[in-house]
Amino acid sequence: DADVTQTPRNRITKTGKRIMLECSQTKGHDRMYWYRQDPGLGLRLIYYSFDVKDINKGEISDGYSVSRQAQAKFSLSLESAIPNQTALYFCATSDSGGGETQYFGPGTRLLVL
Amino acid sequence: DQQVKQNSPSLSVQEGRISILNCDYTNSMFDYFLWYKKYPAEGPTFLISISSIKDKNEDGRFTVFLNKSAKHLSLHIVPSQPGDSAVYFCAASADAGGTSYGKLTFGQGTILTVHP
Repeated sequence: DADVTQTPRNRITKTGKRIMLECSQTKGHDRMYWYRQDPGLGLRLIYYSFDVKDINKGEISDGYSVSRQAQAKFSLSLESAIPNQTALYFCATSDSGGGETQYFGPGTRLLVL
Repeated sequence: DQQVKQNSPSLSVQEGRISILNCDYTNSMFDYFLWYKKYPAEGPTFLISISSIKDKNEDGRFTVFLNKSAKHLSLHIVPSQPGDSAVYFCAASADAGGTSYGKLTFGQGTILTVHP
C-alpha cells in the first residue's frame, strides 16, 4: 500500500465550485505539504503544516485553504475554483527529525472549466 | 523570482552514455540540495541529496556535485538507461532558523530521454 495517498486522482469541475482534495499518510510524519505543478514552473508550495496545530502559507496560497484534521490527514480546498487553478496537485510529507527529504503522493489532476 | 533554476527544459542521451543535469540557485542561505525523479502519472520520488558541507555524493549510478562558489549543482547518471527517462527536479532547503527551514524550493524540471 502507498504511504501517501491522494483523493481524487482526477477531477473536473466548473468555475465557482468548491472543491476539496484530500491527502492521507501512513508514514507517521509530522509535516505535510501541498504543492501545485504547472508546466515550466516546477512545483510551488501552497501551504504547509509542521504539526496538527501549525498551518503556514506557502508562496502561492491565494485562493486556497487547508485543514489538518489529524497527524495523518491534510486537505486542500479551493473555495471558488477558477480556470487558472487547473494544475497537478501533490501532497508531501516529511519527518521533523529526519532531514529535509519529502515523500510525495501520486498527485491529483484538476481541470477547472 | 526563481531561486532555483534548471535552464535546460530537456536532455536527450544515448543508452550507456552519461547524463548531466544542471541546476543553479541564487539564495546563499540554501544549504541542502535534493534531486527528485518523476514519471508520468506518479508523484516525485527522492533520488539523491547533498549537504553544503560536501561537494560530492554518490549513490550507485547517480552522483551529485555541488559548487558552492558558483551556486551550481549537477546530477550525473552513468551509465544512462532507458528506465531513467523521466522529469528530474532539483530542490533546495535553507538551514534551521531561517524562513525557508523545512521547506523545499524546486526548479522547473528537466525532461531526460534516454534512447536505446
